[in-house]
Amino acid sequence: NAGVMQNPRHLVRRRGQEARLRCSPMKGHSHVYWYRQLPEEGLKFMVYLQKENIIDESGMPKERFSAEFPKEGPSILRIQQVVRGDSAAYFCASSPTTHNEQFFGPGTRLTVL
Amino acid sequence: GIQVEQSPPDLILQEGANSTLRCNFSDSVNNLQWFHQNPWGQLINLFYIPSGTKQNGRLSATTVATERYSLLYISSSQTTDSGVYFCAVSLIQGAQKLVFGQGTRLTINP
Repeated sequence: NAGVMQNPRHLVRRRGQEARLRCSPMKGHSHVYWYRQLPEEGLKFMVYLQKENIIDESGMPKERFSAEFPKEGPSILRIQQVVRGDSAAYFCASSPTTHNEQFFGPGTRLTVL
Repeated sequence: GIQVEQSPPDLILQEGANSTLRCNFSDSVNNLQWFHQNPWGQLINLFYIPSGTKQNGRLSATTVATERYSLLYISSSQTTDSGVYFCAVSLIQGAQKLVFGQGTRLTINP
C-alpha cells in the first residue's frame, strides 16, 4: 500500500523558468492538499483540491502559481517564472474524506538559482 | 485565523531522558495531528488525535479539546528522535486545511 508519492524529489530551476511538481495521493484518497515550507519555518497551506475541483486556494499566491487535480493522473502544482523566493520544500498530503487524517509525501525541494 | 503555539521552541536532552511537548490552539478543532520532521526533511505522521489519548511505543499523546491543548510525550529518548516536532490543527467549521505550529526542535545527545 504505497504512500503519497511526489516527484521530483529535488528540482533546480533558473529564475524565469517554470516548475512543475507532481503528487500522486494514496490509493483510495480523492482529497489532495499542497503545503509550502520556507527555510527554517513551519508548513503553510496553499491549496486543497478534490478530483477536477479546487476547493480552497486561500493560501496560493495570486500570481504565477496554479494547481490542478485531473480526473486521471497526479495533482500538479505549477509555478511560472520562478523567483529566488520560491525556493522551498513543497509537500503534498492526501486524505480519503474531509475531516480526516492527512498523510504527507516526502516533499519536493525546489531551488531557484 | 486560528493560532497554534508550541512550546518549548527548543529542547536539548541526553539519551534516555523523557520529554513533554505542548501545543496550544485558539479555537475548536476537528483534526489535530503530530508530526516528526527528521533531519532529512521527511514529515512523519505520529498521531491523529483530535481528542483523547493514544500510545505508540515510546510515544504517547493526549488532547484535551475543551481546554484547547495537546501534549506529546517521548520516553527513553534516542538519538533518532532528534528533529522538529510539529502540531497541526484544522477548524471544526469550514476549511480542511491544516494550520501548523512553529515546531519544537528536539536534540538528543548520546
